[in-house]
Amino acid sequence: KAGVTQTPRYLIKTRGQQVTLSCSPISGHRSVSWYQQTPGQGLQFLFEYFSETQRNKGNFPGRFSGRQFSNSRSEMNVSTLELGDSALYLCASRPNGAAGAGELFFGEGSRLTVL
Amino acid sequence: QQQVKQSPQSLIVQKGGISIINCAYENTAFDYFPWYQQFPGKGPALLIAIRPDVSEKKEGRFTISFNKSAKQFSLHIMDSQPGDSATYFCAASNQNTDKLIFGTGTRLQVFP
Repeated sequence: KAGVTQTPRYLIKTRGQQVTLSCSPISGHRSVSWYQQTPGQGLQFLFEYFSETQRNKGNFPGRFSGRQFSNSRSEMNVSTLELGDSALYLCASRPNGAAGAGELFFGEGSRLTVL
Repeated sequence: QQQVKQSPQSLIVQKGGISIINCAYENTAFDYFPWYQQFPGKGPALLIAIRPDVSEKKEGRFTISFNKSAKQFSLHIMDSQPGDSATYFCAASNQNTDKLIFGTGTRLQVFP
């Protein structure tokens, strides 16, 4: 079974640009969440989606947005990029029926560098 | 109240030794406490998890000890191996949400 797939794996943008990151969950998983990982702030929750509905949102500015499609694939978008947005963005999916959070399967992430 | 405090930041252990990582939380609504292991260039992977209705859970060389009254939990790695060298994150969450609050991570190095 293929794992969580994230594209692109690496990208470089300049300040003010926008970026879209894509995530394909494990087949059959309907729940997708996103995390930002930086050396300074660690792993921070961004969004949680289930059946195309955002169920939870982390404490990030409105420049960070996301969505989920009917096939459970998800995208996140960051507009007006700032230097501080440089990070590893991780997507995770959860098996349906999993007993609460924690049983997340993470992808390898998209590493964004903002110059 | 949403924080999970993790220590130590880094840990060096000899092969065969015991690695111990500690975490503390404040939010008593948390009811799920997983540990994730992350290797360089990879995403975190679930290692072991516990709910507050038990005080200990063991899976192979990995054991979680949970102290509900002290709001603390720890990961013990017995017979540590060089292949265990990775960054370990504790986390906490409420049931039925994928919002994990992660600790700051512990970089473990196991030397032969």
